[in-house]
Amino acid sequence: GAGVSQSPRYKVTKRGQDVALRCDPISGHVSLYWYRQALGQGPEFLTYFNYEAQQDKSGLPNDRFSAERPEGSISTLTIQRTEQRDSAMYRCASSTRGLGATNEKLFFGSGTQLSVL
Amino acid sequence: GNSVTQMEGPVTLSEEAFLTINCTYTATGYPSLFWYVQYPGEGLQLLLKATKADDKGSNKGFEATYRKETTSFHLEKGSVQVSDSAVYFCALGPQGGKLIFGQGTELSVKP
Repeated sequence: GAGVSQSPRYKVTKRGQDVALRCDPISGHVSLYWYRQALGQGPEFLTYFNYEAQQDKSGLPNDRFSAERPEGSISTLTIQRTEQRDSAMYRCASSTRGLGATNEKLFFGSGTQLSVL
Repeated sequence: GNSVTQMEGPVTLSEEAFLTINCTYTATGYPSLFWYVQYPGEGLQLLLKATKADDKGSNKGFEATYRKETTSFHLEKGSVQVSDSAVYFCALGPQGGKLIFGQGTELSVKP
């Protein structure tokens, strides 16, 4: 597609439910990143992939959070047994070759706003 | 650890006013520095970047200079427009392949 696409745009769920957030990066982009953004704060790194390999998951808050990118394209961020503190904007970004390469930049999606009641 | 600190917003200016948004950082090594902008309802997009000390990034009338001696990367524009109203994020990286963002500064420009 023309840009990074995330779905759903809004997700309201009850505490204790599992949620799956989807990211469809720009076609051909090697690297895919997940960030979480609380209201009034900057994006906070969660995890990233090069192709299908998860390179760094150090930002995932706990083992209720997981992510996959099985075919090196679409990625899913899953939160199990959601809690109210998980409420935030979840943003996906992709880049052509990965930020270690010269002149790379992140292309962000519009995000999924998660509300846990 | 590495971190970015921005001036708190919101910043409210009249059209054609001069803009400065302060950004300071703490980092090991020699990171690149970035400004990203988020317009209402959209994702963040890169505004400008600088990859080494004394470099100046510029785009759309915005400028920022990488100052290693003061660990700063302040964003400036000589004459803001209503269309510049957005949230601006300073960031550094890549650190292990990822960017570290500041908390964002909201800019509101009034006609």
